[in-house]
Amino acid sequence: NAGVMQNPRHLVRRRGQEARLRCSPMKGHSHVYWYRQLPEEGLKFMVYLQKENIIDESGMPKERFSAEFPKEGPSILRIQQVVRGDSAAYFCASSLSEGSTEAFFGQGTRLTVV
Amino acid sequence: GESVGLHLPTLSVQEGDNSIINCAYSNSASDYFIWYKQESGKGPQFIIDIRSNMDKRQGQRVTVLLNKTVKHLSLQIAATQPGDSAVYFCAENMGNTGGFKTIFGAGTRLFVKA
Repeated sequence: NAGVMQNPRHLVRRRGQEARLRCSPMKGHSHVYWYRQLPEEGLKFMVYLQKENIIDESGMPKERFSAEFPKEGPSILRIQQVVRGDSAAYFCASSLSEGSTEAFFGQGTRLTVV
Repeated sequence: GESVGLHLPTLSVQEGDNSIINCAYSNSASDYFIWYKQESGKGPQFIIDIRSNMDKRQGQRVTVLLNKTVKHLSLQIAATQPGDSAVYFCAENMGNTGGFKTIFGAGTRLFVKA
């Protein structure tokens, strides 16, 4: 019973390139959350998705960032035209339902923009 | 801005002693609180939770106390072990309809001295 799987674990991109971060939730989980963590800081909520729907994207930057959770396949967090300030650890979490109280986290993707 | 904060950024304790990590929150409407442990290079791991209709909850070697009057919660770790060294986050579940959005404080780094 695999947990939340994120890949890649480490991603290096040059300024201006695109970054794609993938998250496969736990089996049976249809709710996915993305968070960003800067060094020595807590996690900041970015977006909450259910299958094929964005429920809450209040934490997403207005430009360059997008997220999806298709009917089939993993959830994708996409960052276009990356800048150095995008360097961070991005964590994905999944939960079983909207009534579920516990979210299970993946190991994160560490994005470095050079 | 953040609605959940930590009093101390670091805490150093002797192995075998008890540890107490404190957290303040500002949203009086929050009804669910969670403590997570994050080890270096890993995602947050659920430790213990508490609902607002309780003021104390115990787990294995851990106890969470909630004081709604002063909007404060604490995590107590009994007989602290080297494996407890990590960053500890308190988080509140905003309980939004259709899912939840967990807001994390900055975290407290716990060092356990042998």
